[in-house]
Amino acid sequence: DSGVTQTPKHLITATGQRVTLRCSPRSGDLSVYWYQQSLDQGLQFLIQYYNGEERAKGNILERFSAQQFPDLHSELNLSSLELGDSALYFCASSVTGTGKETQYFGPGTRLLVL
Amino acid sequence: AQSVTQLGSHVSVSEGALVLLRCNYSSSVPPYLFWYVQYPNQGLQLLLKYTSAATLVKGINGFEAEFKKSETSFHLTKPSAHMSDAAEYFCAVSRDTGNQFYFGTGTSLTVIP
Repeated sequence: DSGVTQTPKHLITATGQRVTLRCSPRSGDLSVYWYQQSLDQGLQFLIQYYNGEERAKGNILERFSAQQFPDLHSELNLSSLELGDSALYFCASSVTGTGKETQYFGPGTRLLVL
Repeated sequence: AQSVTQLGSHVSVSEGALVLLRCNYSSSVPPYLFWYVQYPNQGLQLLLKYTSAATLVKGINGFEAEFKKSETSFHLTKPSAHMSDAAEYFCAVSRDTGNQFYFGTGTSLTVIP
């Protein structure tokens, strides 16, 4: 158990809909990362937050947005969903978010868009 | 831009045999390098990492990796494979600047009894 929690574990929705994925980092970790894992794209970095502020942005679509709240939990919002958004979404956390830190991954949220 | 290449999407070894999973990186400056393992239906777990200290890095479960700057490689090895090593292995690279994290496409390791 990494100490990172993600809810829900599974999500099934329809095209065009909007969903919110939630992540709670390990106790004491200030930085949160979001990743998308799909068969065709592999593991893609989406976005990173540190203590409530966006720190780095990767291959995140404009239809996707995220935020980190004062209690340090984070939410990833996916809107206007398409079939291709079906994937496993991981959240990870680290203490201060520097490049050499270990990231601790949650178990993921599996999203299926029908 | 930096990236990481894992050669061989599938590797099969016999139980007790040497495990060698290959990773090459491209980076304009020495990066931080990581190996993560993903067991079925689970998140990723750190095996080991290189952060510019010793070039030979020892990790959990008997794995180790050697950073070779001249070859821009960070191959993962284990002297003797165990059935429990069957999993997906990811090499990753990052730097402090930009703080982005790049993963390889992964190598699926099968251990044959």
